[in-house]
Amino acid sequence: ETGVTQSPTHLIKTRGQQVTLRCSSQSGHNTVSWYQQALGQGPQFIFQYYREEENGRGNFPPRFSGLQFPNYSSELNVNALELDDSALYLCASSAPGLRTDTQYFGPGTRLTVL
Amino acid sequence: SQQGEEDPQALSIQEGENATMNCSYKTSINNLQWYRQNSGRGLVHLILIRSNEREKHSGRLRVTLDTSKKSSSLLITASRAADTASYFCATVLGTGRRALTFGSGTRLQVQP
Repeated sequence: ETGVTQSPTHLIKTRGQQVTLRCSSQSGHNTVSWYQQALGQGPQFIFQYYREEENGRGNFPPRFSGLQFPNYSSELNVNALELDDSALYLCASSAPGLRTDTQYFGPGTRLTVL
Repeated sequence: SQQGEEDPQALSIQEGENATMNCSYKTSINNLQWYRQNSGRGLVHLILIRSNEREKHSGRLRVTLDTSKKSSSLLITASRAADTASYFCATVLGTGRRALTFGSGTRLQVQP
């Protein structure tokens, strides 16, 4: 176990709705990254938060937004859900200050959009 | 878009055999990592190799890196049924954000 937790485990939404996914980072980690993994594919980087500021973003539209809190936990918000948003959403925490890029992943949230 | 591509996409071997997976990437990197994923769960970090390293070992794992060919390989020796999983290589680019760029993965099946 990595110590990174995500909630909820599973979620079913309909097109056009909004969703919020949550992630608690491993103790001592100040950086959280979010990834989207479609079925049969590798994870794709959505964005990263470092000390409550966005620290890089992948090729995802603005309806994907995030937040990091003072305790370094994080939220991923997706507005106006589309069928293609159905995927496993993974968060990962890391501590770049320790001079390592190793990321520690949570178990993921499976989102189904109908 | 994917930075790396794994080869083969799927691999089926018998317990006790060795499994070799390859990864190619496109741009210069700071380091390359291998992760394992059991059936749609979270990813588990296996090993990290830096761009100035050529080979690294961890238990039954051996990773090589050839920056001139932009490729890496992961060897799992004496495989076990519990090694059945998907394996992904991930790169951290030489500059800019410290995000991981994943390949599409190799699905390994180890038959008992």
